[in-house]
Amino acid sequence: AQSVTQLGSHVSVSEGALVLLRCNYSSSVPPYLFWYVQYPNQGLQLLLKYTSAATLVKGINGFEAEFKKSETSFHLTKPSAHMSDAAEYFCAVSDLGNEKLTFGTGTRLTIIP
Amino acid sequence: DTGVSQDPRHKITKRGQNVTFRCDPISEHNRLYWYRQTLGQGPEFLTYFQNEAQLEKSRLLSDRFSAERPKGSFSTLEIQRTEQGDSAMYLCASSLNGGLLDTEAFFGQGTRLTVV
Repeated sequence: AQSVTQLGSHVSVSEGALVLLRCNYSSSVPPYLFWYVQYPNQGLQLLLKYTSAATLVKGINGFEAEFKKSETSFHLTKPSAHMSDAAEYFCAVSDLGNEKLTFGTGTRLTIIP
Repeated sequence: DTGVSQDPRHKITKRGQNVTFRCDPISEHNRLYWYRQTLGQGPEFLTYFQNEAQLEKSRLLSDRFSAERPKGSFSTLEIQRTEQGDSAMYLCASSLNGGLLDTEAFFGQGTRLTVV
């Protein structure tokens, strides 16, 4: 069965510092991986997705993620945190032909002024 | 287009009562998904529709849960004989045909259910 593990339920970074949110996947088939963001009182919004094209995926709001098969990881990064990045971030996995997303437990990102 | 709309946003009900939630997808989106999110967890897949056809149901969807999408537009999720464990945020999402790899699923703000 597919699953993702997000290390760190809470992450705090200073404004302007690097953001690194960790996601490791477990899948018996080539996975398709997603990062979603959830702002307070809003629905989940897709940040980026990996579908076996380029291993470095660029998303919205300056975020990017790199698929590393050897490490079974798909960590989310942003070079410089902004106050508006404060939100909850979810990593998710799916596989070809499967419309079901399996989400991780989420990481709440806090930005320190 | 205002996105995926869910109604109500909040529902408090007594244990044993039935509740029904509605989801209006983005127009022309023929795929519609229901997820459930409990506190401290990520969303869990419940079911999805392609037009009016319900194509997949999770084992999480017990016999007390039923979802419909009668005309391939809006969808309803009904929970019968609610239990305290049903307390959660119920999320709806929609996408164009083509699957999650080719398109994007847009999520609504959810309906928060509290069973007392």
